[in-house]
Amino acid sequence: EPEVTQTPSHQVTQMGQEVILRCVPISNHLYFYWYRQILGQKVEFLVSFYNNEISEKSEIFDDQFSVERPDGSNFTLKIRSTKLEDSAMYFCASKEEGTSYEQYFGPGTRLTVT
Amino acid sequence: GQNIDQPTEMTATEGAIVQINCTYQTSGFNGLFWYQQHAGEAPTFLSYNVLDGLEEKGRFSSFLSRSKGYSYLLLKELQMKDSASYLCAVRDRRAAGNKLTFGGGTRVLVKP
Repeated sequence: EPEVTQTPSHQVTQMGQEVILRCVPISNHLYFYWYRQILGQKVEFLVSFYNNEISEKSEIFDDQFSVERPDGSNFTLKIRSTKLEDSAMYFCASKEEGTSYEQYFGPGTRLTVT
Repeated sequence: GQNIDQPTEMTATEGAIVQINCTYQTSGFNGLFWYQQHAGEAPTFLSYNVLDGLEEKGRFSSFLSRSKGYSYLLLKELQMKDSASYLCAVRDRRAAGNKLTFGGGTRVLVKP
């Protein structure tokens, strides 16, 4: 069964460093998402992406965050200058076009900022 | 904005039934989802309700009442592997990208 994949599974970085989290959505999906989950807290929406542009973003998704679909398969989340509070599990998700409603989540990248 | 409430934790016995309630407030409802999340893993889709009523899928059923802003997830014939967090999420009609807003999750512990 097709699945969303994410790399790396765990990333440790120092405060102020840039990180890029990578996702490969399911191949025929056209909607892409990033969510995050701080340990012990709820899953929070960050950004949605469709037709090569951001369709919606949350208040969390400030100027330090950016997304890109550099080629036909990858979808990346960049955090320009990481803060301690960016430590969380980051989930990528994707969805088919049209009336399909289910978002398929990847296994997540655990980001630890020290 | 949206507000989604569900109990923090529930305990049940193997073989029993557990009902997880979720109440929500949203100005543009466009579907309610239930996801299962094992510790340290990604959420996996369980069910979707957009019309009132009960949707049954094997041991799991989900109910929706839009007028009451209420849903429940029913887990029958509980198995030890059902110990997980169950996340209620709502989709907003006004959301351009179909984003999901999640509740805090209900951690279900199944005991032998």
